[in-house]
Amino acid sequence: DIQMTQSPSSLSASVGDRVTITCRASQSISSYLNWYQQKPGKAPKLLIYAASSLQSGVPSRFSGSGSGTDFTLTISSLQPEDFATYYCQQSYSTPRSTFGPGTKVDIK
Amino acid sequence: EVQLVQSGAEVKKPGESLKISCKGSGYSFTSYWIGWVRQMPGKGLEWMGIIYPGDSDTRYSPSFQGQVTISADKSISTAYLQWSSLKASDTAMYYCVRHTELLWFGELLSRHFDYWGQGTLVTVSS
Repeated sequence: DIQMTQSPSSLSASVGDRVTITCRASQSISSYLNWYQQKPGKAPKLLIYAASSLQSGVPSRFSGSGSGTDFTLTISSLQPEDFATYYCQQSYSTPRSTFGPGTKVDIK
Repeated sequence: EVQLVQSGAEVKKPGESLKISCKGSGYSFTSYWIGWVRQMPGKGLEWMGIIYPGDSDTRYSPSFQGQVTISADKSISTAYLQWSSLKASDTAMYYCVRHTELLWFGELLSRHFDYWGQGTLVTVSS
């Protein structure tokens, strides 16, 4: 199975900060990489698909980049509603799609 | 508006059976795969499997093959996740998701979960 890792596992940031989360796959997954945001007690929400495509309705401060094995999610200016846990997901190998362990972003 | 509405929370005893549901609306239910994702308490997301309601083609993650059964009734736009004999380790939140595939001139660009149900909490305890 393709293993996904994320770093950091958690971070503390202030409103207005630029935040970068990294996701790495154990083998090349081309651009089959998605990012989701999950707030406590809520279902996850799709932010980015195909590594860099912004899902409809998602603010433009979110962006994704990368291909192959290394990917990045960037929040250009952190807003209060962005404090959440972020998961990457590889969809290169279905039905063996896997998620990363998550990165929790909280208030500094 | 696309919606996936799941059945309510369940409390069961080990060894009991259970079937939870996910009703889709606002789109052509038979044209998209529906998947299930597990989230154990305080943990991350695990992809369980998917079904294509149009023809009931079903795929399972190896971790869940034989442990659960995914089915769908296209006449009522509803997908199901069922267990024949629950264990305490099945205690988790279960989400249904709409699995979308984007094609560009026949080339697959993306597979992703663009809509999620609200989740069904399953608690298994003696």
